[in-house]
Amino acid sequence: EVQLVESGGGLVKPGGSVRLSCEASGFSFSDYNMNWVRQAPGKGLEWVSSISSSSLYIHHADSVKGRFTISRDNARNSLFLQMHSLRAEDTAVYYCARDRIQWGPDAFDIWGQGTMVTVSS
Amino acid sequence: DIVMTQSPDSLAVSLGERATINCKSSQSVLYSSNNKNFLAWYQQKPGQPPKLLIYWASSRESGVPDRFSGSGSGTDFTLTISSLQAEDVAVYYCQQYYTPPSITFGQGTRLEIK
Repeated sequence: EVQLVESGGGLVKPGGSVRLSCEASGFSFSDYNMNWVRQAPGKGLEWVSSISSSSLYIHHADSVKGRFTISRDNARNSLFLQMHSLRAEDTAVYYCARDRIQWGPDAFDIWGQGTMVTVSS
Repeated sequence: DIVMTQSPDSLAVSLGERATINCKSSQSVLYSSNNKNFLAWYQQKPGQPPKLLIYWASSRESGVPDRFSGSGSGTDFTLTISSLQAEDVAVYYCQQYYTPPSITFGQGTRLEIK
């Protein structure tokens, strides 16, 4: 079964750090571009970061640039999001999502269940 | 960034009736070299991640019921549910992927049963 499973969320103090993980299974992870998308409570979807299959191309939304870093370990079928200098407005469910085809750009066809990050003192 | 605007924000439709959701982009998402619109539609039910319904504006994802269809080109797009079922109650989002990596979503349309 094609699957993405996120972990690492929780309660973090403002200014703190957290590292999210996303473990992939059921497909050739190293062939696909991957993404992080977040959703604040009761709000819509916001693209956060993307990384190409070989990690050659990495991009972050302006709202997180300089604070968040996306990375991947193809040998471990894993995607990561290192988050620093967290703010209250970073509170959200964070989803990892796969590009539909191996050579994007394309829609996101596989999504994890999400991991909640709450930034609060 | 391309701004995606959906209308209406919420919609109530009777079971078996047609539901139509619109999405307008602030600039064209039609790539002239391959004549494809870089536009997708997602369905999100409470407590669940988004589910891809439509890509390239009108291509239905595998396993998606054929009552769901997408249309439009350039800047104006529509998601149509031909005969609303109870399980279609959800929030629907459009997304443009024309300007990667700056992918943007619409604000969402909440669909309910009348």
